[in-house]
Amino acid sequence: GQQLNQSPQSMFIQEGEDVSMNCTSSSIFNTWLWYKQDPGEGPVLLIALYKAGELTSNGRLTAQFGITRKDSFLNISASIPSDVGIYFCAGHPNSGGSNYKLTFGKGTLLTVNP
Amino acid sequence: ETGVTQSPTHLIKTRGQQVTLRCSSQSGHNTVSWYQQALGQGPQFIFQYYREEENGRGNFPPRFSGLQFPNYSSELNVNALELDDSALYLCASSSSTGAGEKLFFGSGTQLFVL
Repeated sequence: GQQLNQSPQSMFIQEGEDVSMNCTSSSIFNTWLWYKQDPGEGPVLLIALYKAGELTSNGRLTAQFGITRKDSFLNISASIPSDVGIYFCAGHPNSGGSNYKLTFGKGTLLTVNP
Repeated sequence: ETGVTQSPTHLIKTRGQQVTLRCSSQSGHNTVSWYQQALGQGPQFIFQYYREEENGRGNFPPRFSGLQFPNYSSELNVNALELDDSALYLCASSSSTGAGEKLFFGSGTQLFVL
């Protein structure tokens, strides 16, 4: 089945720095979504991307849907302590009959030092 | 507008027992999906329910079963529990089954199997 390779696995940064993480797949995806998960909570949707090449921002967050439809990246600018958490990429694969299933990466653990 | 709510928040069971987890979907949402998240991993799709019927299933054995009720709430049942079933079980609701639909997650039920 489809797998998403998310990198890096973890990041330790200073407050105020910019962050970039990405997700790649061996197969085409129809949508890309980025979620953040805090301890003891479910994932919260940050950004949704629906079209190849699409670049979308949500405050300090910017994400892009890769032209090949096999990758996506998420940037966080001017990080703050509350950005700490696990960030997941997810997508709907372009396989017949599986558009109900969201495939997740393994996550990027972000730590922000004040 | 109420979000996705799950109960119980935590549960401890022993091998061989059966468990039922419950989910109330977000107001206005008619589709419920269940995911299993093992420690340090991304969520894995179990199945989706739409109009009280299973609409798609991931790579989980038949001892994982579900129900959806007329008010769109849902249950996840797991029979003959195994140690590897220990995980965070997430429920997500959406307004339809389409690939572009955004999923909104509850806080999850943490299941421990001893």
